[in-house]
Amino acid sequence: NAGVTQTPKFRVLKTGQSMTLLCAQDMNHEYMYWYRQDPGMGLRLIHYSVGEGTTAKGEVPDGYNVSRLKKQNFLLGLESAAPSQTSVYFCASSYGAGQQYFGPGTRLTVT
Amino acid sequence: GQQLNQSPQSMFIQEGEDVSMNCTSSSIFNTWLWYKQDPGEGPVLLIALYKAGELTSNGRLTAQFGITRKDSFLNISASIPSDVGIYFCAGQRTGNQFYFGTGTSLTVIP
Repeated sequence: NAGVTQTPKFRVLKTGQSMTLLCAQDMNHEYMYWYRQDPGMGLRLIHYSVGEGTTAKGEVPDGYNVSRLKKQNFLLGLESAAPSQTSVYFCASSYGAGQQYFGPGTRLTVT
Repeated sequence: GQQLNQSPQSMFIQEGEDVSMNCTSSSIFNTWLWYKQDPGEGPVLLIALYKAGELTSNGRLTAQFGITRKDSFLNISASIPSDVGIYFCAGQRTGNQFYFGTGTSLTVIP
């Protein structure tokens, strides 16, 4: 099992550009999450999904959209990137609302 | 958002020493988790706690769910160089969201 994978690993965007981050898990988990990690602030939840076709807002959802068309994939979109979205993005998945397994992260820089 | 205060922010210790860190909140939590994050990687779960007063060990690591349900503690005994990393607590009240602490950076000096 690969666990939780994220693509890309690194990306540099210019302000106003758009992009999609892909998260995939092969553990048949129902729940999936997107977090951002900034220095000194720990991880903050952006959006999450409790099953295929469902999404919900987390703590810091503004400027992001998500989709869960397939159970194993959770996409995070930035429609118009801003420098404040420079961060490391982590995807996680879990069976229920319990132990989360994290991906390796995507480092995004917006200039 | 929910604030989890984690302390200390950083620790520098000699190999072989014991380590203690804690996480406190103004709200009650039903679940506490402790994660370790190595540079360039995602967090990895160390210990999960589900009941007030619960004390759980994982090798040299021991964590406790505080009686008030507003805090949790992590101890590492006889530290070794591979213990280096950032340790995060995470708390869950109800529903599906976990709130993470700001992390404790641990450096072990050989």
